[in-house]
Amino acid sequence: AQKVTQAQTEISVVEKEDVTLDCVYETRDTTYYLFWYKQPPSGELVFLIRRNSFDEQNEISGRYSWNFQKSTSSFNFTITASQVVDSAVYFCALKRYSGGGADGLTFGKGTHLIIQP
Amino acid sequence: DGGITQSPKYLFRKEGQNVTLSCEQNLNHDAMYWYRQDPGQGLRLIYYSQIVNDFQKGDIAEGYSVSREKKESFPLTVTSAQKNPTAFYLCASSTRTRLAPGELFFGEGSRLTVL
Repeated sequence: AQKVTQAQTEISVVEKEDVTLDCVYETRDTTYYLFWYKQPPSGELVFLIRRNSFDEQNEISGRYSWNFQKSTSSFNFTITASQVVDSAVYFCALKRYSGGGADGLTFGKGTHLIIQP
Repeated sequence: DGGITQSPKYLFRKEGQNVTLSCEQNLNHDAMYWYRQDPGQGLRLIYYSQIVNDFQKGDIAEGYSVSREKKESFPLTVTSAQKNPTAFYLCASSTRTRLAPGELFFGEGSRLTVL
């Protein structure tokens, strides 16, 4: 069985602070995918990143960075110099390597990030 | 613009009534999904369809029904058998290829409240 744990239910920081959202996963599969999605107040989730289990390189995209550590089964997400527009609920997700589409995609419960001006 | 349209955005229903939530996509995606979101519960899969005229139960299908008569449309009916239907419902679609696994495109959701 797959499981994704986002222990931080809600985080509140002041604008321009750095913030890290934690994600810990469990899977018996040796190959898998990990994801982050953002849900702004408008409601629709937006895909941010996909990482496959073969690739443990960290990734940076502008103010966003992701730290994948297979040894600790973690895929943490850091926002540098946070902005009010980053306020949203962020979901981490795990997917079996086999199967196309969103087959076997498991979401965490989400972290509500509040950026105060 | 390509995307997913859900309607209505807000819906109120009396106990014992069935309601149908609409989901339409113009992304030419084969696969479509319905998720339910409750506060503090994340997203849970209700039903999914990988191709027209075929659909599968997800983790919490009881009390729900779907149809997939057209590629673009995947309506969800919340029946009176659903014990606790008040929730936020999200429709999503994806390609079925392995080129973009797990990449879902979501609608803006429908909030159902049972009075």
